[in-house]
Amino acid sequence: AQSVSQHNHHVILSEAASLELGCNYSYGGTVNLFWYVQYPGQHLQLLLKYFSGDPLVKGIKGFEAEFIKSKFSFNLRKPSVQWSDTAEYFCAVRRDYKLSFGAGTTVTVRA
Amino acid sequence: EAGVVQSPRYKIIEKKQPVAFWCNPISGHNTLYWYLQNLGQGPELLIRYENEEAVDDSQLPKDRFSAERLKGVDSTLKIQPAELGDSAVYLCASSDRPSGETQYFGPGTRLLVL
Repeated sequence: AQSVSQHNHHVILSEAASLELGCNYSYGGTVNLFWYVQYPGQHLQLLLKYFSGDPLVKGIKGFEAEFIKSKFSFNLRKPSVQWSDTAEYFCAVRRDYKLSFGAGTTVTVRA
Repeated sequence: EAGVVQSPRYKIIEKKQPVAFWCNPISGHNTLYWYLQNLGQGPELLIRYENEEAVDDSQLPKDRFSAERLKGVDSTLKIQPAELGDSAVYLCASSDRPSGETQYFGPGTRLLVL
């Protein structure tokens, strides 16, 4: 079965710090990769996605992610976080019409 | 454009009682998904519909869970009878393509079974 691993359960950082969230998946075939975000009290929203082409993907709100096929990874980054980036972040992998999510990483940004 | 609508947002019931959740997908989205999200976990797929057909219900516990999408638009997910372990958030999502390239999620229904 395909699994998605997110390295950190909870990350706490200060405004303007850089953020990197790790994501690894176990499936070796062709996959599509996503990062979703859930702000407090809101629904899951798509941050960015990778299907093919340039492995460095830019999303909304200054986020980007890099697909490294050899490492089965799709890490999320943001150079300088803001207080409003406080949220839960989910990595997801799609294969054969099925979307599998990681357990999520809670990011708390201190003002 | 309106997003995925779910109701109720919160539900508290006693164990062994029935409960139902409703979802209205984004207009024109033929693919609809129900997910279960336990505390501290990511969403897990329960069932996927293409129009009115359930094309993947392999993860749906059919002894107590049922779902329907009679006219290929709205959908209802039912639990009967509910158990304590069913306390979770039930998410509905929709997509405009069968491949589910991008899924749009509703706000979810938070269920508490006492």
